[in-house]
Amino acid sequence: SAVISQKPSRDICQRGTSLTIQCQVDSQVTMMFWYRQQPGQSLTLIATANQGSEATYESGFVIDKFPISRPNLTFSTLTVSNMSPEDSSIYLCSVAGIVDEKLFFGSGTQLSVL
Amino acid sequence: QKEVEQNSGPLSVPEGAIASLNCTYSDRGSQSFFWYRQYSGKSPELIMFIYSNGDKEDGRFTAQLNKASQYVSLLIRDSQPSDSATYLCAVNMGGSQGNLIFGKGTKLSVKP
Repeated sequence: SAVISQKPSRDICQRGTSLTIQCQVDSQVTMMFWYRQQPGQSLTLIATANQGSEATYESGFVIDKFPISRPNLTFSTLTVSNMSPEDSSIYLCSVAGIVDEKLFFGSGTQLSVL
Repeated sequence: QKEVEQNSGPLSVPEGAIASLNCTYSDRGSQSFFWYRQYSGKSPELIMFIYSNGDKEDGRFTAQLNKASQYVSLLIRDSQPSDSATYLCAVNMGGSQGNLIFGKGTKLSVKP
């Protein structure tokens, strides 16, 4: 499986500010996925990031709130914009296996919004 | 509404016992099923996957799938304190690649 690095690992932010989370993979992958894990809730897919095209967002998530960049096949960023305490969560970058649907996750970013 | 249901636990078992974790899912057409282990403060780690009805064994872990009952389970034999974690069931319900529907997880505690 790929090695997936995320940073920052954690941050405490003030409401109204934005945070950009970086995800680096040690091999080229077509698609990268951003998930959110809110306290006591299940992991939920935010969006799929493809290199060279706009990200595809799941229901309930919008580009203005969670802009995503995918400049190359090994890197992606997720920005959490205009943060509120409800955005306090763990954000996870993930990639899928080459030939199947197995998902592998990065180390995650623990975000707390005050 | 596509859902994956798990008992939140905690499920407590003594060391050496069999831990049985259960999961039900809403979409009868689902084809791919996964179990992830998540230690506190860590990211989920894939430990088992199953695509066909029946049992699949890997070391101390056995995944069981019954598509007719829309039920998937994970058995952990000879449970160890190091198995104490939250176990997440995930299902691909026909969505795009990478779009897994996760349960909220079952917290397992293995007592020495």
